[in-house]
Amino acid sequence: EVQLVASGGGLVQPGGSLRLSCAASGFTFGSYWMRWVRQAPGKGLEWVANVDQDGREKLYVDSVRGRFTISRDNAKNSVHLQMNSLRAEDTAFYFCARDNGGTPDYWGQGTLVTVSS
Amino acid sequence: QSALTQEASVSGTVGQKVTLSCTGNNNNVGTYTVGWYQQISHGAPKTVMIGNSLASGIPDRFSASKSGTTASLIISGLQPEDEADYYCSTWDYRLNAWVFGGGTKLTVL
Repeated sequence: EVQLVASGGGLVQPGGSLRLSCAASGFTFGSYWMRWVRQAPGKGLEWVANVDQDGREKLYVDSVRGRFTISRDNAKNSVHLQMNSLRAEDTAFYFCARDNGGTPDYWGQGTLVTVSS
Repeated sequence: QSALTQEASVSGTVGQKVTLSCTGNNNNVGTYTVGWYQQISHGAPKTVMIGNSLASGIPDRFSASKSGTTASLIISGLQPEDEADYYCSTWDYRLNAWVFGGGTKLTVL
């Protein structure tokens, strides 16, 4: 059974940093792209970042490029999102998902990031 | 403002057939595979359809189609448990980004 478990969310002040993690199991992790998607309270889904199987190719939405870094550790079956220079508008539930053929097929539960002073 | 346009809300009765639409352009829907995602009470999204293929564990009353720059999610025989928010998504090569629709709130009357 494919499982994705996100963690690392919390309350952080504007300008601060946070590192999200997503632990994967139930599939050959190193064979799939992975992504992060977020959802601000009461709003729709927004793609954040993708990383390829080797961790070399990374794609970001414009609003986070230069502040967020997606990475993966295939030895530990995990994908991470390092978030720096956080802003109030980054407040959201963050979901990790597995990509299959360029589209998410399995999603983890969200981890809540709140940016507030 | 989302790159993909979805109805804000759709409703139907149990057993009815409903169609949710997702309209984009040739930079996105017209060129790439569209995914459909179900989200109940803002929990984790669940993939319903990838292109015309049912995702794992999804009942076959769900189907999808695409014509030009509009994709559709069809639910034949609506069930109470289908009440949820539904989002479409695909790649946009002009924006160089994955884009989502604003979501459709499906209510089962």
